[in-house]
Amino acid sequence: DTGVSQDPRHKITKRGQNVTFRCDPISEHNRLYWYRQTLGQGPEFLTYFQNEAQLEKSRLLSDRFSAERPKGSFSTLEIQRTEQGDSAMYLCASSLGRAPYEQYFGPGTRLTVT
Amino acid sequence: KNEVEQSPQNLTAQEGEFITINCSYSVGISALHWLQQHPGGGIVSLFMLSSGKKKHGRLIATINIQEKHSSLHITASHPRDSAVYICAVRGSADKLIFGTGTRLQVFP
Repeated sequence: DTGVSQDPRHKITKRGQNVTFRCDPISEHNRLYWYRQTLGQGPEFLTYFQNEAQLEKSRLLSDRFSAERPKGSFSTLEIQRTEQGDSAMYLCASSLGRAPYEQYFGPGTRLTVT
Repeated sequence: KNEVEQSPQNLTAQEGEFITINCSYSVGISALHWLQQHPGGGIVSLFMLSSGKKKHGRLIATINIQEKHSSLHITASHPRDSAVYICAVRGSADKLIFGTGTRLQVFP
């Protein structure tokens, strides 16, 4: 399967714990995006990378959130000191970064903070 | 007011009916996407368009740039079309701004 993959698919954690999610983009894609989707809402942009450079971060991304893409391939999203409001689906997408700029989505990681 | 508004939020239909989902946006865009999301979260891109009309099977998407409006039509709807349909616009840096989605249920 050469699509975007995310791991884990589901994560249940207690409030205050740290969690880390991984996204593996399509191999030749140099842009990688993280989105968050809460129940009943559309996804919201969190951050994106061009190769290893993090080019933009949303104001939604508080200091407890950090994302990396160290070698320009896979990316990790870490949430420290999780809160119940962090419960959501975390979606990753990748694109070639040139026309037609189509983004391909992974299956998402569903986080539940208890 | 959200930058991308969709209507209706929920839609039920009988198999065979013609479905229309509307999307209005208030920002400048380089393209508009229609996405389909099934239970469990996976998102699939249906269309990407910046002008005119596109057709794929029973699905048709149109966009009017001047009116900042797009529609997604499903002809001869089928229960397997049941999903959440999301409109998203691409602005600067090609990040997407999403609508809240339209939940469609098609009954046999």
